[in-house]
Amino acid sequence: QKEVEQDPGPLSVPEGAIVSLNCTYSNSAFQYFMWYRQYSRKGPELLMYTYSSGNKEDGRFTAQVDKSSKYISLFIRDSQPSDSATYLCAMSAGSGAGSYQLTFGKGTKLSVIP
Amino acid sequence: SQTIHQWPATLVQPVGSPLSLECTVEGTSNPNLYWYRQAAGRGLQLLFYSVGIGQISSEVPQNLSASRPQDRQFILSSKKLLLSDSGFYLCAWSVSRGNGYTFGSGTRLTVV
Repeated sequence: QKEVEQDPGPLSVPEGAIVSLNCTYSNSAFQYFMWYRQYSRKGPELLMYTYSSGNKEDGRFTAQVDKSSKYISLFIRDSQPSDSATYLCAMSAGSGAGSYQLTFGKGTKLSVIP
Repeated sequence: SQTIHQWPATLVQPVGSPLSLECTVEGTSNPNLYWYRQAAGRGLQLLFYSVGIGQISSEVPQNLSASRPQDRQFILSSKKLLLSDSGFYLCAWSVSRGNGYTFGSGTRLTVV
């Protein structure tokens, strides 16, 4: 079983739709959860950062973490063509060996159609 | 504000040639520095990380090496490139463990 699983898509939605992106993980030591957005041929850009379980909202973006299910989600409301990108989930342990490292999902490619 | 610079943006190198990619961070001290490689269909792979000058941890055995000659400078090198070294190389920094990284703009390396 891979440490972080993420459906690669591609996911295509009409403009204005609500988008749901998800990752599952197996390492119960993960405490920090992140979502990155990566446009083609660019470096990933940090979108959302969450510690432990719960929800976090920032504008049109909402991140959810359910540690009991080892499942994280990113919701995009009122999706725009400019949201078309690859979305990467990432996570890390809070302490101990490997705590400096982020473990990434492989990314979901999203296209928002005008 | 903090910024990260990575160059060159694109590089085409023949097999067997040397490699040197440079990354510098501005606006912070004692950053944790990272080199990642992103290959198509394989996601982001951590190659090296550094928590201080001269301190390098290697995650993947290969013909690449990294050095940190100054606090905010991180260099990725190879003496002889292989075709399999082609990919998108990303430098990143973070303030503390577990924190979100800030990535550079990346170097697209093609070994021919």
